[in-house]
Amino acid sequence: DTGVSQDPRHKITKRGQNVTFRCDPISEHNRLYWYRQTLGQGPEFLTYFQNEAQLEKSRLLSDRFSAERPKGSFSTLEIQRTEQGDSAMYLCASSLPTGAGLFEQYFGPGTRLTVT
Amino acid sequence: GQQLNQSPQSMFIQEGEDVSMNCTSSSIFNTWLWYKQDPGEGPVLLIALYKAGELTSNGRLTAQFGITRKDSFLNISASIPSDVGIYFCAGPWGSNYKLTFGKGTLLTVNP
Repeated sequence: DTGVSQDPRHKITKRGQNVTFRCDPISEHNRLYWYRQTLGQGPEFLTYFQNEAQLEKSRLLSDRFSAERPKGSFSTLEIQRTEQGDSAMYLCASSLPTGAGLFEQYFGPGTRLTVT
Repeated sequence: GQQLNQSPQSMFIQEGEDVSMNCTSSSIFNTWLWYKQDPGEGPVLLIALYKAGELTSNGRLTAQFGITRKDSFLNISASIPSDVGIYFCAGPWGSNYKLTFGKGTLLTVNP
């Protein structure tokens, strides 16, 4: 399967703990996005990478959140000192660098985070 | 940021019926995307639209890019139980083409 993969699929953590999620994009896609989705809402943009460079961050991304894409391939999203309000589905998406595929983002299955 | 309004919020239909849903925006979009999301999964891209007035099909799904560029429509013909899910419209905006999504239309199909 050459789609976007995310790990883990589910994470339950206690408030105050740190968590890290991983995303592996489609191999030829150099554009990578992270989104957060809460119940009853569409996904909301968090941050964007082009290759290894983090080029945009949403105001939703507080200083407890950090994302990396060290070699321009997989990406990680870390949340420090988790809060109950961080409970959500975290989605990763990727797209081609040029052409019409630039706008077509393909999503992974998501990581469901529950903070107790 | 940009806001997309989807209607209806939910639909309950019988298997075999046709379905229509729409998405509107106060801003112009140059691309419209339609996704389907199953419970516990990520959104799956169904159709991408690039030109005002464009009509594009993917099997039993047909989507249209409104001529004002502020709306888009999705039709599903002869619905089947596996059409159940949440349908989202989305549009890329900003210099990095991040997507803004509507709140979705929840479709339930009674067999």
